[in-house]
Amino acid sequence: GAGVSQSPSNKVTEKGKDVELRCDPISGHTALYWYRQSLGQGLEFLIYFQGNSAPDKSGLPSDRFSAERTGGSVSTLTIQRTQQEDSAVYLCASSSRGGYSNQPQHFGDGTRLSIL
Amino acid sequence: AQTVTQSQPEMSVQEAETVTLSCTYDTSENNYYLFWYKQPPSRQMILVIRQEAYKQQNATENRFSVNFQKAAKSFSLKISDSQLGDTAMYFCTLGTGANNLFFGTGTRLTVIP
Repeated sequence: GAGVSQSPSNKVTEKGKDVELRCDPISGHTALYWYRQSLGQGLEFLIYFQGNSAPDKSGLPSDRFSAERTGGSVSTLTIQRTQQEDSAVYLCASSSRGGYSNQPQHFGDGTRLSIL
Repeated sequence: AQTVTQSQPEMSVQEAETVTLSCTYDTSENNYYLFWYKQPPSRQMILVIRQEAYKQQNATENRFSVNFQKAAKSFSLKISDSQLGDTAMYFCTLGTGANNLFFGTGTRLTVIP
């Protein structure tokens, strides 16, 4: 596609439910990032995928968070047993090569997650 | 540890005027990059400008320019001839040797017609 696509754009769910957020990066981009943006805050790094390498999961806040990237393209971020503090905008970005210094990151419009 | 500080939560500027957004950062790395990202109400983050720390010359992109003071760890963004479309959140961002970026808390800029 022309840009990074994320779905759904908005998600409202009850506390304790599991949610899946999807990211479709720009075709051909090998690097994919997930960030979380809480109200009034900057972006918080969650996880990074680069090609077939093991992902950098150092930013995941708890074991309720996980992500996978199938076939080196689409990625899914899963939050299990959601809590109210998980409410945020979840942004996905991709770049044509790994490493912030080589290529700019292209961001999707994000998924606004609201936990009731 | 890496930190990015934006001390101006909100700013406003008259259309066609010039505005400067401040940013300071801290890192122990010698090689790093600095960025300004813009996030309009549509939520999509857009790269505005990028500066390599090893370059002394300040980066410029059309109406956008930076004042990079490496010794002071300061990285301000100047927007000249402000336009209504410049209204957005602006994030100062630090990239070091890791695979991620460190974002400041943002400055909300409003361009007033």
